Amino acid sequence: EPEVTQTPSHQVTQMGQEVILRCVPISNHLYFYWYRQILGQKVEFLVSFYNNEISEKSEIFDDQFSVERPDGSNFTLKIRSTKLEDSAMYFCASSPQGYTDTQYFGPGTRLTVL
Amino acid sequence: GDSVTQMEGPVTLSEEAFLTINCTYTATGYPSLFWYVQYPGEGLQLLLKATKADDKGSNKGFEATYRKETTSFHLEKGSVQVSDSAVYFCALSDNYGQNFVFGPGTRLSVLP
Repeated sequence: EPEVTQTPSHQVTQMGQEVILRCVPISNHLYFYWYRQILGQKVEFLVSFYNNEISEKSEIFDDQFSVERPDGSNFTLKIRSTKLEDSAMYFCASSPQGYTDTQYFGPGTRLTVL
Repeated sequence: GDSVTQMEGPVTLSEEAFLTINCTYTATGYPSLFWYVQYPGEGLQLLLKATKADDKGSNKGFEATYRKETTSFHLEKGSVQVSDSAVYFCALSDNYGQNFVFGPGTRLSVLP
């Protein structure tokens, strides 16, 4: 069964450094998403992406964040200058169609900012 | 804005007990409703969903009915197993909005 994959599974970085989290969505899906989950807290929506552009973003997704689909398979989340409070689990998801469709989640990347 | 409220956890049950996890929502349109499950150390997995009023989603012995009149989507299982121990998230996606909103999650622990 096709699944969403994410790399790396764990990323440790120093405050102020740039990180890129990578995701490979399910191949025939059209909508892509990033969420984050701070340890022990709720899952928070960051951004959605469709047709090579951002379709929606939350207040969390400020100028430090960017997303890109550099080729036909990868979907990346970049954090330009990481802060301590960026430490969280980051989940990528994809869906065949829009928001009302089921979203399939990857296993997550745990980001630790020191 | 849209929101999802779930019962506070953690919930601790003995094996074969009946489970109910309450979920209520606020939405501007006609949302689709979902339950996702997160097993320890893993990502989110879709458990079940319902896309319109009175629909019942079911999977792995779990079920939930979309109740528009009470804006609820309570999760139930007749007999829980130790392997059901996980965090359960209620979520909605709104046809009028453009986001996917999760509840805070309810941690379930099932004891043998």
